[in-house]
Amino acid sequence: KAGVTQTPRYLIKTRGQQVTLSCSPISGHRSVSWYQQTPGQGLQFLFEYFSETQRNKGNFPGRFSGRQFSNSRSEMNVSTLELGDSALYLCASSFSLDTGELFFGEGSRLTVL
Amino acid sequence: DQQVKQNSPSLSVQEGRISILNCDYTNSMFDYFLWYKKYPAEGPTFLISISSIKDKNEDGRFTVFLNKSAKHLSLHIVPSQPGDSAVYFCAASPRKNDMRFGAGTRLTVKP
Repeated sequence: KAGVTQTPRYLIKTRGQQVTLSCSPISGHRSVSWYQQTPGQGLQFLFEYFSETQRNKGNFPGRFSGRQFSNSRSEMNVSTLELGDSALYLCASSFSLDTGELFFGEGSRLTVL
Repeated sequence: DQQVKQNSPSLSVQEGRISILNCDYTNSMFDYFLWYKKYPAEGPTFLISISSIKDKNEDGRFTVFLNKSAKHLSLHIVPSQPGDSAVYFCAASPRKNDMRFGAGTRLTVKP
């Protein structure tokens, strides 16, 4: 079955712009979580959605937001981009909130100039 | 607030030898621990997990050890192979959700 799909794979933005990233989970998976990967910081948890509701949130400013649709697809948005937002954004899905193992997409590489 | 720490950013071992990757955590509520492996240009993939009721879990060449009193876990790879060269992330969570990751350790296995 198809894995987790993230679009776009690469994008370049300038400071002050906003960006929307999309994630399609594995069919049947209802939980989607987002992570930011930067060198030295590893994978930092952004937020987790289940059944269109945000269930957990990491320690990121309000410029980072997300949502989940009824088909479990998820989007995350970053407004007023800063240089430090340049990172690989990874989406992961799981069947439910407490199944443990996450299935990751290949990520969206954002560069902010 | 780094609740999961991997203090070694990189590790280099010879093919056939043992690789030991370490991970420390601070949150005593964590009761489920996982290791993920990440190759360049790919998302992380699940490798092995352990729950807090165990102190060891083995899967082929990969063994994870958990020391709850020290809040420490380690991943042993024996024997190491060049294909094991990747970044390894340690992850921990309470009740299998709200997973927190370490910064990763880049393992290089030299032929």
